[in-house]
Amino acid sequence: GENVEQHPSTLSVQEGDSAVIKCTYSDSASNYFPWYKQELGKRPQLIIDIRSNVGEKKDQRIAVTLNKTAKHFSLHITETQPEDSAVYFCAIAGGTSYGKLTFGQGTILTVHP
Amino acid sequence: DSGVTQTPKHLITATGQRVTLRCSPRSGDLSVYWYQQSLDQGLQFLIQYYNGEERAKGNILERFSAQQFPDLHSELNLSSLELGDSALYFCASSAQAASSTYTDTQYFGPGTRLTVL
Repeated sequence: GENVEQHPSTLSVQEGDSAVIKCTYSDSASNYFPWYKQELGKRPQLIIDIRSNVGEKKDQRIAVTLNKTAKHFSLHITETQPEDSAVYFCAIAGGTSYGKLTFGQGTILTVHP
Repeated sequence: DSGVTQTPKHLITATGQRVTLRCSPRSGDLSVYWYQQSLDQGLQFLIQYYNGEERAKGNILERFSAQQFPDLHSELNLSSLELGDSALYFCASSAQAASSTYTDTQYFGPGTRLTVL
């Protein structure tokens, strides 16, 4: 079945540094790859997503890259700020598991001022 | 604010009881999804409805059931509650039903925190 592994589980950076979170998946039929940011006790908030016909997508300081051959995708945050501190989840969908999102385990990002 | 609303925000109840969680999707969205978030299981898909009909099911317990009404709001019913059912329950909505080749963006509501004592 579908599975997604997310690394690292925790990430600590200094303000202004870059942060990279990587997810690998097993279902080659997956075609949708969103990233959500969740602050403590709040809802998961979509920050960027990418579809399988695109290799990279950028939105200001946030970018996502997708390597379908290797079955992994990554979130890149540049010029990190303390307000970027949160839990970040990757997810996959599509193929036989269309409709539902299968989430990674989450990465706790801490940005130190 | 995603436009998805959920009530109640918090729910405290006892083991063996039954509760109902309510979700209203964003205006115009026809699909509703329910997810459970617990410390040990992470974020897990429970069930999806599209325009009143069940479309997909995850590892939802038999004690749990859901439905989507003609006005498109959805309710998740949890019965014979156990301590392990304590979790955050999120509802999400999207405009379309998904297919094997396309998944619409899902927007999450604020969640209902269920505590079973």
